[in-house]
Order: sequence, then structure tokens, then C-alpha cells
Amino acid sequence: GAGVSQTPSNKVTEKGKYVELRCDPISGHTALYWYRQSLGQGPEFLIYFQGTGAADDSGLPNDRFFAVRPEGSVSTLKIQRTERGDSAVYLCASSFPSGGQNTGELFFGEGSRLTVL
Amino acid sequence: AQTVTQSQPEMSVQEAETVTLSCTYDTSESDYYLFWYKQPPSRQMILVIRQEAYKQQNATENRFSVNFQKAAKSFSLKISDSQLGDAAMYFCAYRRGAQKLVFGQGTRLTINP
Repeated sequence: GAGVSQTPSNKVTEKGKYVELRCDPISGHTALYWYRQSLGQGPEFLIYFQGTGAADDSGLPNDRFFAVRPEGSVSTLKIQRTERGDSAVYLCASSFPSGGQNTGELFFGEGSRLTVL
Repeated sequence: AQTVTQSQPEMSVQEAETVTLSCTYDTSESDYYLFWYKQPPSRQMILVIRQEAYKQQNATENRFSVNFQKAAKSFSLKISDSQLGDAAMYFCAYRRGAQKLVFGQGTRLTINP
């Protein structure tokens, strides 16, 4: 597609449930990033993929959070046993690999708003 | 670790006037990128302007320009002829190579008609 696509746009779930958030990056972008943004705050880094592998997962807050990118394109962020503190907007971004067309810019989707009741 | 600091949680400006948003960062690297992103209520981050650290010339994009002071690790954004559509959260961000983008806390800009 023309831009980064994230689904669902909004997700309401109950405490303790499992959720999946999906990101479809721009075609040709090998790098994919997940961020979490709480109300009124700047985005916080969660995890970064280069191709199929996680190049940096240092931002994942605990083992309830997991992300995959099995074919190097679409990525899924998975949250187990959700807690009220997980409520936030989850942003996905993609970019070209280093060098070449890479201007350093990350291209963002519109985010998935997760609300845990 | 790299950090980005925006010391102005909120700013306001009269329509058609000029406003400057401040940003400082901390890094030991010499080659990196700096960005200003705009986030309207729609949530999508939109790139406003970018600066490569090795370039001494300040970047300019129409009404948006930066004052990049590498030694002082300062990267301010100037918006000239402010328009109502400029109202949004503005985030300063740092990136080295293909690594993660590190964001500041943001500045909420209000445009008064």
C-alpha cells in the first residue's frame, strides 16, 4: 500500500485478555519499528525489526509483550494477560534499510488505540 | 544512551506570527539525524523537517526552518507565518543510522486566530 497500515484502529479489551495488533509497512521497507505512546507523552520505543529478525527488543517492558515478523513484511505485536497500564496508542513505523534511499526518516501509521478495562 | 529534551510542554502563537520550539539532545556520536515530527489529533506522525548532523547548513522547508547548533546539541524549530493548520503536538527526535528513533516529550502548539 501507499502508507503504513495498522489494524485495528481501536481495540477495547478486558483485563487479562490477549490482544494482537497488526502492522503492514510500506512496500520495500525492510526496517519496522513498534512504539507505545501514552496520553500526552512522546512515543516510547518497543522493538525494531530488520527483515524477519528483531534487531533491538530492548524496549519491550516485560515478557507479556512479544512481536513477530515471519516473512519480513507484516508484523504483529502480541500482548498477553493485558493490564490497565497497557492502555495506550501503539504506533508502527517503517523505513528503508541503511544507505541508498534511506533519508533517515521513519514513516508512521495512524496507530492502534488499546483500551484495557 | 541518547536523550532528547523539549522544555516547553505548551506554546501558543497568534496566527501569522512566528514561533520557535526548543529541543536539546545528548549524544556522544558525530553522525546522526535530527527530526521534527508533527502529530495532529489524527495520531499519525508527519515529518516536518530533517537535519543531517554532518551538514552545517540549517534545513528549511517552506515556512519551517531549524537552528542547528551541533556543539551546543541544540535543534530548534522556527515556524513562520503560523497557520491554524499548524496546531498539533510537535516532537523532536534523534536517530543514528538504522537504529531506533528517540523522541522528546513533545510541545503542544496552539494557534490563536
